[in-house]
Parts: sequence; C-alpha cells; structure tokens
Amino acid sequence: QVQLVQSGAEVKKPGASVKVSCKASGYSFTSYFMHWVRQAPGQGLEWMGMINPSVGSTTNAQKFQGRVTMIRDTSTSTVYMELSSLRSEDTAMYYCARVRGARPLASFDIWGQGTMVTVSS
Amino acid sequence: DIQMTQSPSTLSASVGDRVTITCRASQSISSWLAWYQQKPGKAPKLLIYDASNLESGVPSRFSGTGSGTEFTLTISSLQPDDFATYYCQQYNSYSWTFGQGTKVEIK
Repeated sequence: QVQLVQSGAEVKKPGASVKVSCKASGYSFTSYFMHWVRQAPGQGLEWMGMINPSVGSTTNAQKFQGRVTMIRDTSTSTVYMELSSLRSEDTAMYYCARVRGARPLASFDIWGQGTMVTVSS
Repeated sequence: DIQMTQSPSTLSASVGDRVTITCRASQSISSWLAWYQQKPGKAPKLLIYDASNLESGVPSRFSGTGSGTEFTLTISSLQPDDFATYYCQQYNSYSWTFGQGTKVEIK
C-alpha cells in the first residue's frame, strides 16, 4: 500500500542541525511532489517547503530560507529534510506529505507518521 | 502569503448535530482549498480537496462548499469518531498555508 515512513525521534542542542528522512513505498516516487509540514506542541500546521522528487528542485517557505535543505534519493525512494541552526522554537513534530495528483499545486493525500524533534540544551 | 482564518476556534457539539466550520482566505483562492481532520498524536487526514470533492474513503456526512474567499466544511450528523481538530489549507500559490484549526469537542 501507499505509505510514507519517517525516521525516529531526535533530540538536538541549540545551534545544531537535524536531518529527517521520509521513505516512500507503493507508488512511483518520482511522479508526486513531496512536502514538509511541522507542528509545534499544541499548535497548528506550518508548511515548510516542497521538493520535486523527479528533478530535485525545491520551493521553501520564506520563513525557513537559508535554514532548510530538502533533497531526495531516487535509488531508495527517500526524501530528506535538514534544518540547521536549531533553536527551541523548532521543537515540533515534522511530517512529510505527498501531493495528491500530478500537479504541484494540490492538497496532501498521504502523510508520514511524523518525527518529533526536540531542541533543548 | 495568503492568510487563512477559521471560525470558530472551538466548537462544542453533541452526537447527531449538524456542524459547520468556516474558513476565509485573505484573497481569492478560486477552489484551491482542502480540509483535514487531525486526532491527537496522529497525522492529518485529507477529507475534502478542491473545496468540494470528497476524498476516497471519507464518509459522505462530510461535505465542503465555497469558492473565492469563503469556504465551509459541514458534518451533517456528528459521530463519535468525528471529535477532532479540523484544518483548512489553501494551495492557490507556491506558499501553502493552513488555517489555525477548529477543535470539535463533545458537548
């Protein structure tokens, strides 16, 4: 079945970087754009950015420009999101989510289970 | 960025009630709007896409209407499994944004 499986929880110190993986299965990896969304504890959903797994191009939210990097590995059908210069406000659940359909401007129909990132000294 | 505003923030209702949640966009987004349901500790689940299309497998008691700047999600007869938080999301531009969420609680 179609699914996205993310890497496990992380605890990082302020100033460090974190890299979260999202492995896709059950569909053609390069045919669907992938997004990253985060959710701070008790808060709403915040879009971070998007990657085109076919060519590797990305579009990031302005808030994260210069701090977030998204890459993909087509050999393993995995996308990665790296967030640098971590601060306490980055403590959140991080989700990958697949776009519904072939065009980039669309809703998200498949979500990963989430990866909790905790930033604490 | 396009701002999405949901109302109410919290809604208390009983099983069997008809429930309506509103989402307003700061500028026209045509019909490029989705609704998600999220339960505690779980990832969001797509309910409605393109403002009014029911995602496969979602019960027919959920429906969505609207275009432009004003949208609604309606649950025709609230079921115990529907107590959750609901988010709208726009995808009219290359900067996706979500509403702040509406928590549906048991009355």
